[in-house]
Amino acid sequence: GQQVMQIPQYQHVQEGEDFTTYCNSSTTLSNIQWYKQRPGGHPVFLIQLVKSGEVKKQKRLTFQFGEAKKNSSLHITATQTTDVGTYFCAGRLSNDYKLSFGAGTTVTVRA
Amino acid sequence: NAGVTQTPKFRVLKTGQSMTLLCAQDMNHEYMYWYRQDPGMGLRLIHYSVGEGTTAKGEVPDGYNVSRLKKQNFLLGLESAAPSQTSVYFCASSWGRSEAFFGQGTRLTVV
Repeated sequence: GQQVMQIPQYQHVQEGEDFTTYCNSSTTLSNIQWYKQRPGGHPVFLIQLVKSGEVKKQKRLTFQFGEAKKNSSLHITATQTTDVGTYFCAGRLSNDYKLSFGAGTTVTVRA
Repeated sequence: NAGVTQTPKFRVLKTGQSMTLLCAQDMNHEYMYWYRQDPGMGLRLIHYSVGEGTTAKGEVPDGYNVSRLKKQNFLLGLESAAPSQTSVYFCASSWGRSEAFFGQGTRLTVV
C-alpha cells in the first residue's frame, strides 16, 4: 500500500481563510515533494523539501518538512479561487527510487 | 519543447482486449513512471524505470507490463483488459530524484 498518508481528503474553504494539509509517513523519507492538480489536469510540481526541519515559502504557500523527515505540511493563507484543485505530497525513501504519492487533499473554495 | 507526451488521450476497450499506452519524453530524463489515478485513491505507482532497459514494479503492478527499450520511451501494456483497469493513467519522468514532469494523461474505460 501507499507509504505516504495525507489528510484531510477534502477541504472546503471560505475565500480569504487559511488552511493546512498534512502528509505523514511511517518511515523516514529522503525528500518530499508537493504537487498541485487542477480539475481535469495533470499534477504539476510545486516544491521539494530535503532537509530536516526545512521551511520554504512560495507567496501564500508555506511548506514544512518535519524534524524526523516523516511528515510534511502545506499551509495556504488567504485562500483564493485560483487555489482550487488537489494537492499531493510525494515521498521517496533514501534507499529507493520509487516516488510514492499520498491520496491528495481536494480543495474547494466558497466565494 | 514537448515535455512528456502520452498516446492515446482516450480509449475504450472491451474486456479481454489488449492495448499499449505510449509515453515519450524529450528531456533526456533517466527516471520514468506509470501511475493510475482513481477517485479517492490518489496516484498509485504501477511500474517505474530508472534507465534504458530497466524496469521495476510499483505498488499496483498486477495486470500490467512495461518496457523501456529506448531512454525516451516508456510503454505500458495491458494484455487482457479488465473493468477494474478503468482509470486515468499518467506517465511521468524526472532527472534523478528531482521534480517529476507529468504527461496529460490517458483516460481508459474497459467495458
